[in-house]
Amino acid sequence: EVQLLESGGGLVQPGGSLRLSCAASGFTFSSYAMSWVRQAPGKGLFWVSTISGGGDATYYADSVKGRFTISRDNSKNTLYLQMNSLRAEDTAVYYCGKHPGSYGPYYIDYWGQGTLVTVSS
Amino acid sequence: EIVMTQSPATLSVSPGERATLSCRASQSVSSNLAWYQQKPGQAPKLLIYGASTRATGIPARFSGSGSGTELTLTISSLQSEDFAVYYCQQYNNWPLTFGGGTKVEIK
Repeated sequence: EVQLLESGGGLVQPGGSLRLSCAASGFTFSSYAMSWVRQAPGKGLFWVSTISGGGDATYYADSVKGRFTISRDNSKNTLYLQMNSLRAEDTAVYYCGKHPGSYGPYYIDYWGQGTLVTVSS
Repeated sequence: EIVMTQSPATLSVSPGERATLSCRASQSVSSNLAWYQQKPGQAPKLLIYGASTRATGIPARFSGSGSGTELTLTISSLQSEDFAVYYCQQYNNWPLTFGGGTKVEIK
């Protein structure tokens, strides 16, 4: 059974940093691209970033490029999102998602339960 | 960037009735479109990919159709557990983009 468990969310001040993690199990982690998708309170879904299965290709939404870094440790079956220079508009539930292939672009076939990031002073 | 527009924003339907949800793309996405269902407090769940292929375990009352710029999700006979928000997402090009969602509520 595919399981994705996010952690690392919390309250951070504007300009601060946070690192999210997503622990994966139930599949061969290194064979699949992974993404972060966020959802601001009461709003829709917004794609943030994707990393290929081997970690050699990364993609970012323009609004986070240069501030966020996606990475993965295939030996630990874990996906990361390093978020720097955080802004109030980054406040959202952050979901990690698995894609059905190694590169993409793709749809997301499995989603984690999400972790809430609140950027506020 | 491909802009995805969903309509209507809210759809009021009685249980047992048919619901038709629309997703329009600003440029062709071919059949590279997925539909998700999200219930309050839960993560999205994949319903349809490839515009018309049901994901594993999804009931046959859910069907997707269309290609190019006009795509549709149809729920043939709404059950109580189907009242939720539905999102379309294109994966024809980077960046991945989602529609704004259609909320299906009980009439």
